Amino acid sequence: KQEVTQIPAALSVPEGENLVLNCSFTDSAIYNLQWFRQDPGKGLTSLLLIQSSQREQTSGRLNASLDKSSGRSTLYIAASQPGDSATYLCAEPAGNKLTFGGGTRVLVKP
Amino acid sequence: GAGVSQSPSNKVTEKGKDVELRCDPISGHTALYWYRQSLGQGLEFLIYFQGNSAPDKSGLPSDRFSAERTGGSVSTLTIQRTQQEDSAVYLCASSLTSGGAEEQFFGPGTRLTVL
Repeated sequence: KQEVTQIPAALSVPEGENLVLNCSFTDSAIYNLQWFRQDPGKGLTSLLLIQSSQREQTSGRLNASLDKSSGRSTLYIAASQPGDSATYLCAEPAGNKLTFGGGTRVLVKP
Repeated sequence: GAGVSQSPSNKVTEKGKDVELRCDPISGHTALYWYRQSLGQGLEFLIYFQGNSAPDKSGLPSDRFSAERTGGSVSTLTIQRTQQEDSAVYLCASSLTSGGAEEQFFGPGTRLTVL
């Protein structure tokens, strides 16, 4: 059974600090990994999708890396801002669905 | 907008009543998914539709839950005889083609509260 884990469950940083969010998965044959952002009471916004053939993917201040051998993906957010406060979820495909991690709730303090 | 839309955004119902939740996927997307997000349970898969193929219902928690997708576009999730444990946010997603490996785009969700 595929499992996706995100530790820590919550993280608080001062504004301007870089954020490092971790995602661990058990499927070494992972096809891709998707990172999402969820604001309170809202749906999920897709941030980055990194294919198994890629080692990293970048969009603005966001950078996601993928290491299949260690079963880890990391989402880096550079120079964090209070507007980055949200819950960040990672997910990997499992058949016809996505299997999600529990999420990391991030608070960026001004 | 061109995103996934869901209605209603909030639904409060009494235990035992039936509810219908609607999802409009992104135009041209052939795959549609329903997920449920509960406190303490995280996000769990419910059902998947791909074109005219038989849906993957493997995530539906009980026979009180059913879903349809008419004309390969709009989908309705129906919960019969609602129970308090059905209270959750129901999220719909769509992707361009089939399978979980495609990038999925989510709607804003419907928050269901069963009193």
